[in-house]
Amino acid sequence: EPEVTQTPSHQVTQMGQEVILRCVPISNHLYFYWYRQILGQKVEFLVSFYNNEISEKSEIFDDQFSVERPDGSNFTLKIRSTKLEDSAMYFCASSERLGNSPLHFGNGTRLTVT
Amino acid sequence: DAKTTQPTSMDCAEGRAANLPCNHSTISGNEYVYWYRQIHSQGPQYIIHGLKNNETNEMASLIITEDRKSSTLILPHATLRDTAVYYCIVRSTGGFKTIFGAGTRLFVKA
Repeated sequence: EPEVTQTPSHQVTQMGQEVILRCVPISNHLYFYWYRQILGQKVEFLVSFYNNEISEKSEIFDDQFSVERPDGSNFTLKIRSTKLEDSAMYFCASSERLGNSPLHFGNGTRLTVT
Repeated sequence: DAKTTQPTSMDCAEGRAANLPCNHSTISGNEYVYWYRQIHSQGPQYIIHGLKNNETNEMASLIITEDRKSSTLILPHATLRDTAVYYCIVRSTGGFKTIFGAGTRLFVKA
């Protein structure tokens, strides 16, 4: 069964550094998402992406964050200048379409900012 | 998207059916009911979804009341590996966001 893959599984970075989290969505999916989960808290929506542009974003997704689909397979989340509070699990997801189409999640990247 | 209400936690004996309720009294006609689960810190896993008819797949059954204001996820023979947080989510046909609440923490006990 096709799956969403994320790399790396764990990323450690120093405060102020830039990080790029990578995702390969399921190949025939058209909608892409990033979520995050701070330890012990809810899964939070960050951003959705369709047709090479952001379709919706949350208040969390400020100017420090950006997303890109640099080629036909990868979907990336960049954090320009990491803060301690960016430490979390980051999940990528994809769906074939909206509404009547489930999200399929990767197993996440654990980001630790020191 | 409509808000959902779920119990904080539930227990179930291994081998028995686990019935997880969800209230979504403000659901509108174009909103689907989705269920996901999250085991430890893994990515949420899709289980099942429906609009108004009951649905069944290899993992679970979804029972939606006729007025669509509540639903029940049924795991017919719970195993220890079904211990997880289960999320009931309502999502509109045009909505880009899937919003997760706190979910129900299901403990399956031997």
